[in-house]
Amino acid sequence: DSGVTQTPKHLITATGQRVTLRCSPRSGDLSVYWYQQSLDQGLQFLIQYYNGEERAKGNILERFSAQQFPDLHSELNLSSLELGDSALYFCASSAEDRGGQETQYFGPGTRLLVL
Amino acid sequence: GNSVTQMEGPVTLSEEAFLTINCTYTATGYPSLFWYVQYPGEGLQLLLKATKADDKGSNKGFEATYRKETTSFHLEKGSVQVSDSAVYFCALSGTYKYIFGTGTRLKVLA
Repeated sequence: DSGVTQTPKHLITATGQRVTLRCSPRSGDLSVYWYQQSLDQGLQFLIQYYNGEERAKGNILERFSAQQFPDLHSELNLSSLELGDSALYFCASSAEDRGGQETQYFGPGTRLLVL
Repeated sequence: GNSVTQMEGPVTLSEEAFLTINCTYTATGYPSLFWYVQYPGEGLQLLLKATKADDKGSNKGFEATYRKETTSFHLEKGSVQVSDSAVYFCALSGTYKYIFGTGTRLKVLA
């Protein structure tokens, strides 16, 4: 168990809908990352938050948004869903060591199916 | 910029065979290097890591050595088991950036 929790575990919805995925980081970790993993595209970095602020952005669509709250949990909002958004969505959290290096720990993921 | 290249899969081995999965990287500065494993239907688990040149990370019989001169971090295991069947990801951590390789699927046959 990595200590990172994600809810829900599975989500089935229809095209055009909006969903919210939730992530709670490990205790003490300030950074939260979101990734999308689909069968044909591997692991795609979406976005990173650090202590409530956006720190880095990857291949995140404009229909997707995220935020990190004061208690450090994070939500990923996916709107106007398309069939191609069906994927596994992972959250990871990390803390930096004294050298500024970090290690990411992953949650179990949310499997999204858009019908 | 930073990048990670790992060997394409799938890799298919018989039980008790020797495993090597190659990983090379390009990076500025002194990144940390990682191997993650993803079992079917699960999230990524940290398998091992190394934070500086010549460090050897090891866990569950897997090893990888941080080789700065060849910019490599190859994953090895002396005797694989069926339960090692999974996807393995090499990754590096630089300043505010974490880069993953594309993953290598390993299938071990009994």
